[in-house]
Amino acid sequence: SQTIHQWPATLVQPVGSPLSLECTVEGTSNPNLYWYRQAAGRGLQLLFYSVGIGQISSEVPQNLSASRPQDRQFILSSKKLLLSDSGFYLCAWNKNQGSPLHFGNGTRLTVT
Amino acid sequence: GENVEQHPSTLSVQEGDSAVIKCTYSDSASNYFPWYKQELGKRPQLIIDIRSNVGEKKDQRIAVTLNKTAKHFSLHITETQPEDSAVYFCAAIPNSGNTPLVFGKGTRLSVIA
Repeated sequence: SQTIHQWPATLVQPVGSPLSLECTVEGTSNPNLYWYRQAAGRGLQLLFYSVGIGQISSEVPQNLSASRPQDRQFILSSKKLLLSDSGFYLCAWNKNQGSPLHFGNGTRLTVT
Repeated sequence: GENVEQHPSTLSVQEGDSAVIKCTYSDSASNYFPWYKQELGKRPQLIIDIRSNVGEKKDQRIAVTLNKTAKHFSLHITETQPEDSAVYFCAAIPNSGNTPLVFGKGTRLSVIA
C-alpha cells in the first residue's frame, strides 16, 4: 500500500532563517505531488505541485520554492523565513488527475 | 479556471440531526468531486467522492449528491454524532490537463451533544 511521510511534525524557526521540509511517498511511482499551506482556521492554499521529476508549478508568488530531486521526494524550501510563513504545511499526492488526493500528517511551522 | 464556492462556513447541529453542506463549481468540464474531513490539528482525510457519471453516492451515514446541470454538489450527514465535528472541504477538478484539485474554503461543523 502507499504511504506518505512528511517531516518534521513541528518546527519553530526565527525570522530570516532558512527552511527545508521534506516529503516522500512510498508504494507508487510517478505520483503527482503537492504542497499546501493552511493558516490557523483557514482553508487549503496550494503552493506548488509537480507532475514529474524537475517539473514544478508555482501557484502563489512568495519567498518559498519547491524541488523534486527524485520521483517520490518533494521538498519545500525558503532562504529567509517571514513571520507570515507560519502555518500548517501539508504535502499530498495522487496517482493522476481525478484520483483521490492523500495528505501527509503535516508540519506545523511557527516563525518567531 | 475552476472556482468552488462552499456554504455555510459554519454549521451547528444537535446530535442526531442531519447536516448538509453545499458547494457550487464553475467549470462544466469538472468530473470529480471529493469531500475531505479535517479534525483539529490533523490532516484532511477523504471521506467520500463522486464522479460526474453518478448522481448520488452513499456510505453509511454520509452521502453526496451531484447536480451537473446546476453545477452543484452537496454532502449530507445523517444522525450526526459529536465525532462528526470537524472542518469539511469540498473540491472539484476538470478532466483536462494537469490542473490540481480546487478546494472550497471549508465548513466548520459543530455537533452539539
